Amino acid sequence: EDKVVQSPLSLVVHEGDTVTLNCSYEVTNFRSLLWYKQEKKAPTFLFMLTSSGIEKKSGRLSSILDKKELSSILNITATQTGDSAIYLCAVFRGLDAGGTSYGKLTFGQGTILTVHP
Amino acid sequence: EAGVTQFPSHSVIEKGQTVTLRCDPISGHDNLYWYRRVMGKEIKFLLHFVKESKQDESGMPNNRFLAERTGGTYSTLKVQPAELEDSGVYFCASSRYAGLFQYEQYFGPGTRLTVT
Repeated sequence: EDKVVQSPLSLVVHEGDTVTLNCSYEVTNFRSLLWYKQEKKAPTFLFMLTSSGIEKKSGRLSSILDKKELSSILNITATQTGDSAIYLCAVFRGLDAGGTSYGKLTFGQGTILTVHP
Repeated sequence: EAGVTQFPSHSVIEKGQTVTLRCDPISGHDNLYWYRRVMGKEIKFLLHFVKESKQDESGMPNNRFLAERTGGTYSTLKVQPAELEDSGVYFCASSRYAGLFQYEQYFGPGTRLTVT
């Protein structure tokens, strides 16, 4: 069974700190990894990573995939209170033998980030 | 562009009753997904529609759950009869369709279902 593990499960920092969130996976026929941010309701899409070693960046957030280590990290620099949220990691697998299970995302438990002023 | 919407936002029902959840995907998104998070656990896949067809329903827990997407637009997820273990947050997501290519999925705010 596919497995996605995030660490730490929770993290408390102060504004201005830099944080690194981790995601590791065990997925048959891995295809891509996605990061989402969930504040109150809907998880919002951050990044989709398919190629190893290529950093994706959006403002103070960046992420990179390491296919050799079966993992990804999400970095947030100069954190702000608005970064407080649950950060979710999810993976797509490639086509299975039957060619049907290509749309499902497998999620990790999430990392709860709290940024204090 | 309007996002994925879900209705209701919260539903409280008694064990044995029926509840129907609705999801309206982003306009033009042919892929529609249902997921569920029960308390303390990760978000788990339930099923995937491509237009009106069920592509993958491997995550549906049992035959008390019925999902439909008539006309390939909005979708409903009916739980009948509801059991206590069905409590959780039900998320809907949608994405563009391009055959087997996997686009990012956009999520709705979820419906919190409480079965008492």
